[in-house]
Amino acid sequence: GENVEQHPSTLSVQEGDSAVIKCTYSDSASNYFPWYKQELGKRPQLIIDIRSNVGEKKDQRIAVTLNKTAKHFSLHITETQPEDSAVYFCAASIGYSSASKIIFGSGTRLSIRP
Amino acid sequence: EAQVTQNPRYLITVTGKKLTVTCSQNMNHEYMSWYRQDPGLGLRQIYYSMNVEVTDKGDVPEGYKVSRKEKRNFPLILESPSPNQTSLYFCASSSYRLAEMNTGELFFGEGSRLTVL
Repeated sequence: GENVEQHPSTLSVQEGDSAVIKCTYSDSASNYFPWYKQELGKRPQLIIDIRSNVGEKKDQRIAVTLNKTAKHFSLHITETQPEDSAVYFCAASIGYSSASKIIFGSGTRLSIRP
Repeated sequence: EAQVTQNPRYLITVTGKKLTVTCSQNMNHEYMSWYRQDPGLGLRQIYYSMNVEVTDKGDVPEGYKVSRKEKRNFPLILESPSPNQTSLYFCASSSYRLAEMNTGELFFGEGSRLTVL
């Protein structure tokens, strides 16, 4: 079955610097790769997603890149701000959306140092 | 207001005492699913449902049951809870129509923290 590995498990960066979180997946049939952000005590919320027919997607300070050949995808956050502190989860789905069997990574706790 | 509602939000129970966690969504979503969240393990899918009367096992279905008799409700049943089911549980819903609009968002409930003694 599908397996998603996420690294690092914790990440601390200086405010204003960039943060990168990486994920690898095992099932080459996976087509949809979302990223969710979970603030302390809150529910996960989608921040960006990418489908297998696209190599990169950007939304303001957040970008995701996908390398289907190597089966890995990454989240890039530039100009980090205190409100970026949270746990981030990557995921992979065989369907074209989250409305399917979906496997999440183990999460990355991102801390932004003032 | 569009939302996914879970109940109870907090529950402490004892081993073997059957319990049900309810989940209801008001967005007319076809898809609903349950996850458990444990430290260091992320979110693990328990069961999911693509539509009414259609349910499938996720990654960790052992010890759980679900049913989907109505589109809006997707209860999670623990017939005989054990301490290793102590966890934070999330229900979520989504729609295939979102995929057609090029989004694939899962809408999560606020979570139910379950402790089994």
